[in-house]
Amino acid sequence: QKEVEQDPGPLSVPEGAIVSLNCTYSNSAFQYFMWYRQYSRKGPELLMYTYSSGNKEDGRFTAQVDKSSKYISLFIRDSQPSDSATYLCAMTFATGNQFYFGTGTSLTVIP
Amino acid sequence: ETGVTQSPTHLIKTRGQQVTLRCSSQSGHNTVSWYQQALGQGPQFIFQYYREEENGRGNFPPRFSGLQFPNYSSELNVNALELDDSALYLCASSAWYIAGGAYNEQFFGPGTRLTVL
Repeated sequence: QKEVEQDPGPLSVPEGAIVSLNCTYSNSAFQYFMWYRQYSRKGPELLMYTYSSGNKEDGRFTAQVDKSSKYISLFIRDSQPSDSATYLCAMTFATGNQFYFGTGTSLTVIP
Repeated sequence: ETGVTQSPTHLIKTRGQQVTLRCSSQSGHNTVSWYQQALGQGPQFIFQYYREEENGRGNFPPRFSGLQFPNYSSELNVNALELDDSALYLCASSAWYIAGGAYNEQFFGPGTRLTVL
């Protein structure tokens, strides 16, 4: 069983739609949860991170962590064509010295 | 403030050869992590260096080794290259903050694309 599971998609939505991206994980010791965006042939860039359970909002992006279900989500409101990219979830322990990534979900926002 | 840089951008090697990839961390960062990203996959953690010492290692064989220098730049060395080593190699730097818990936001470089023939 992989440490982190993420549906690779691809996901295609019309501009302005709400996008929901999800990951599940198996190790209850994970404490930090992150979402990265990766454009083609580029390194990942951090969108949001969350410590432990709860919600965090930043502009059009909302990250949710449910540790009881071992489930994390990223919501994108009012999606834009510029949001078209691969979205990666990642997580690490309290020590922050070993990171686990999902396979990434490819998102296309159609104008 | 400069970001994370990696060199070279692209590299072609043949099976059995050795390769060295380089990473310059972002200013003020003392921790460097290396990842292997195969096509269509998420990054796989190779190892992390903190203040010149290996601080964590993923499930990679010993032929993957690294160094961190006093200026916090880093090298990834891969010996006896195999075809499956073809991938994008990413370096990420971060700074450790301790304030009721470790916070370790990583910033990634653009990667080195290695092709093994």
